[in-house]
Amino acid sequence: EVVLTQSPGTLSLSPGESATLSCRASQSVTSSHLAWYQQKPGQAPRLLIYGASTRAIGIPDRFSGSGSGTDFTLTISRLEPEDFAVYYCQQYDNSHVFTFGPGTKVDIK
Amino acid sequence: QITLKESGPTLVKPTQTLTLTCTFSGFSLSTSGVAVGWIRQPPGKALEWLALIYWNDDKYYSPSLNSRLAITKDTSKNHVVLTMTTMDPVDTATYYCARLVWSGPWYFDVWGRGTLVTVSS
Repeated sequence: EVVLTQSPGTLSLSPGESATLSCRASQSVTSSHLAWYQQKPGQAPRLLIYGASTRAIGIPDRFSGSGSGTDFTLTISRLEPEDFAVYYCQQYDNSHVFTFGPGTKVDIK
Repeated sequence: QITLKESGPTLVKPTQTLTLTCTFSGFSLSTSGVAVGWIRQPPGKALEWLALIYWNDDKYYSPSLNSRLAITKDTSKNHVVLTMTTMDPVDTATYYCARLVWSGPWYFDVWGRGTLVTVSS
């Protein structure tokens, strides 16, 4: 089973700054199998990025994803107040086993 | 509009079996390239994938919970049911169902609001 590790655990930033979130896999992940979700308190997760770099419908272009192999990155440029949330990466393997990372919290500095 | 809604007991006793229903609308689980999955989240903790069922009735489970889980679908009622046996207080969590779609890769594009299940005697 692929284990995902996210860093940092918490990122304290100010609106307008950029955020770089890391997701590292315990073994190589097919890039197309990597997604990112945003979750705000009391809400369900929302899909941001799939296929490592494709934005979901309605996601602003300040969100971008990149990476391959075992290292993936979610970048949020110019943080807006509504972007302060927890972000999860998720992958699935060829055995249809899905795993989520532990999350990175982006909070207001 | 695509929606999913989870329903089931809010409180179960240890050792009991949990049965949750995901009722969805706006899509059909008989359409190729569609699946429904269950994901849970203990209070203050991360998401954990549990199970999923594809349009062709293929089923997959979390390896760590495989022996306790069963997922079924009723296409005519737009329902997906998850059962989890031998509930324990550590299974206290918000349980989400979500639609999984194929667009090259698979991804969970629409989620229900979740239902909090507490395991306590």
